[in-house]
Amino acid sequence: EVQLVESGGGLAQPGRSLRLSCAASGFTFDDHAMHWVRQAPGKGLEWVSGISWNSGSLGYADSVRGRFSISRDNAKNSLYLQMNSLRAEDTALYYCAKDIRAGYYDSGGYNYWGQGTLVTVSS
Amino acid sequence: QSVLTQPPSVSGAPGQRVTISCTGSGSNIGAGYDVHWYQQLPGAAPQLLIHVNSNRPSGVPDRFSGSKSGTSASLAITGLQAEDEADYYCQSYDSSLSGYVFGTGTKVTVL
Repeated sequence: EVQLVESGGGLAQPGRSLRLSCAASGFTFDDHAMHWVRQAPGKGLEWVSGISWNSGSLGYADSVRGRFSISRDNAKNSLYLQMNSLRAEDTALYYCAKDIRAGYYDSGGYNYWGQGTLVTVSS
Repeated sequence: QSVLTQPPSVSGAPGQRVTISCTGSGSNIGAGYDVHWYQQLPGAAPQLLIHVNSNRPSGVPDRFSGSKSGTSASLAITGLQAEDEADYYCQSYDSSLSGYVFGTGTKVTVL
């Protein structure tokens, strides 16, 4: 059974940092690209960042580029999102999602999602 | 503000057919990038409904179908059922943004 379990969310002050983790199991992790998607309370889905199977290609939404950094450790079946210089508008539920395909540029869609970890940025 | 535009809401009676449009541009759908569709039930994580424009993952009823033409894509739900009440999102890649984008989302209501 495929499982994606996010952790690391919580309350952070503006300007501070948080590191999200996503523990994957039930599939061959290094055969798939992975992505982070967020959803602000009562709002729609926003793609945040994605990374190819071997970390060779990655990308960011304009809203987080330069502040967030995505990485993965295939030996640990884990995906990460380092979030720096947090802003109030980063407040959202952050989902980890598994791509059907391995590459970053040719996504086949996200066929498994975690339950999300909530990030709240407030003073 | 998303570069993929969807109607905020659509509704239909049980058994009817509804369609949801996803309008993009020449840097995303019109450039040939694939479109995927997701269903998000209340309080739940999104689920992949249609991938690569018109393909249904195993377990998705054939009442759901996707198509793509030019700079737009569409999701059709035939034989609408009460359990189809949810939010629906399209997604594609945008070359001008160098990243993926979701549509604005559509709430489907079964009357």
